[in-house]
Amino acid sequence: KQEVTQIPAALSVPEGENLVLNCSFTDSAIYNLQWFRQDPGKGLTSLLLIQSSQREQTSGRLNASLDKSSGRSTLYIAASQPGDSATYLCAGRGSGNTGKLIFGQGTTLQVKP
Amino acid sequence: EAGVAQSPRYKIIEKRQSVAFWCNPISGHATLYWYQQILGQGPKLLIQFQNNGVVDDSQLPKDRFSAERLKGVDSTLKIQPAKLEDSAVYLCASSSWDGGRDETQYFGPGTRLLVL
Repeated sequence: KQEVTQIPAALSVPEGENLVLNCSFTDSAIYNLQWFRQDPGKGLTSLLLIQSSQREQTSGRLNASLDKSSGRSTLYIAASQPGDSATYLCAGRGSGNTGKLIFGQGTTLQVKP
Repeated sequence: EAGVAQSPRYKIIEKRQSVAFWCNPISGHATLYWYQQILGQGPKLLIQFQNNGVVDDSQLPKDRFSAERLKGVDSTLKIQPAKLEDSAVYLCASSSWDGGRDETQYFGPGTRLLVL
C-alpha cells in the first residue's frame, strides 16, 4: 500500500530564498509523481508531473526531482516570492492502472516580504 | 476552457441530516474523481468514474455515502446521514485519462461541509 509523507508540515522563509520541499513514498513501483499547489479556499493546481522513467521536471522557477530507489521527491523553488505562499502537495500514482493518486499531507509555505 | 464547477461552495448541516454535492467536469473529460480533504490532510480519493462506470470506490463509506454520474457528465455525491467526522472539503476533479500512464487531474474549488 502506497503511503506518501511530506516534511515539514509548515515552512516560513524570507523573500528571495531558495527552498526545498520534501516528499517521500513507500512503494518504489510508482507510476508517476505530481506536485500540486493549493491556495486557501481553492482547489488544487497541478505544477509538475514526473513520469516514472524521468528524474526531474522544470517549469520556470520550479524544479521537481524523483528518486525511485530512495522513495523521495523534492520540489525546489528558486528565488521565492510572497506569491509562492500556499500549501504544496505531492501525490504518487501507485501501482495498478486506475489513475489513483495518493496524496501527502502537504507543506504550508509562507514567504515573507 | 471552463474549469471544473462545483456547488454549493459551503454547506452547514446538523448531524444525521442529508447533503448532496454537484460537480460539472471539464467538457470532454471521461474520468471524474471525488476526494475528501480533512483539515490538515491531503485529499483522499472517495470514488473514481470512467464515463458512467465506477473504477474505484474502495474508500467510499458505502453505508452513508453514494455517488452517481448520469450520462457520463455531471456527478453528484450524497451523504445520508451525515456524521461529525464528515466535516471536510469535498473536491471534484476530472481528467482525460484513458487508461494510460500519465494524465493531469484538474480540480474544482471544492465544497466545504461543516457538520454540527
